[in-house]
Amino acid sequence: DIQLTHSPSFLSASVGDRVTITCRASQGISSYLAWYQQKPGKAPKLLIYAASTLQSGVPSRFSGSGSGTEFTLTISSLQPEDFATYYCQQLNSYPLTFGGGTKVEIK
Amino acid sequence: EVQLVESGGGLVQPGGSLRVSCAASGFTLSSYWMSWVRQAPGKGLEWVANINQDGREKHYVDSVKGRFTISRDNAKNSLYLQMNSLRAEDTAVYYCASELRLWGFFGMDVWGQGTTVTVSS
Repeated sequence: DIQLTHSPSFLSASVGDRVTITCRASQGISSYLAWYQQKPGKAPKLLIYAASTLQSGVPSRFSGSGSGTEFTLTISSLQPEDFATYYCQQLNSYPLTFGGGTKVEIK
Repeated sequence: EVQLVESGGGLVQPGGSLRVSCAASGFTLSSYWMSWVRQAPGKGLEWVANINQDGREKHYVDSVKGRFTISRDNAKNSLYLQMNSLRAEDTAVYYCASELRLWGFFGMDVWGQGTTVTVSS
């Protein structure tokens, strides 16, 4: 199974900060990586697919990059509504797997 | 409005069975691969199973193989997860989600609100 490792698993940041989250895969997955945002008690929301394509309706302050085994999610200017947990997911091979998540909290 | 609504969750004893359902509205379920994803209390997301449009191709995570069965009824615009031989570690919120497949498999773009399954004596 392909393992995904988030770094960091927790971060504290302020409104307006630039935030970068890394997701590393245990083997190459090309660009078959998605990023999700989840708020407490809510379903996940797709932000980015194919490593760098912004899902329709997602603010442009979110961006993704990477291929192979290393990927990043960047929020260019953190907004109050962005405080949440972020997960990466690989769709290269079964079983599909998620990373353990990065929780972004208010400093 | 495009919507997925899960139902059927509840409390079940270890070794018991439960079937959870997912009803689609605002879109035609038969056009999409569908997945079940679960989240144990305070934990991360775990993909459980998926199924193709006509129900002939299915995939499962190893921990549920032989115990869970994913199925669909396109005429009813519904998706199901039959869960047998339930264990305490199956306790989770179960989400259904439609899969975004363009020139490749790119993620899950529409999610239900989840239904809670608790396995406990």
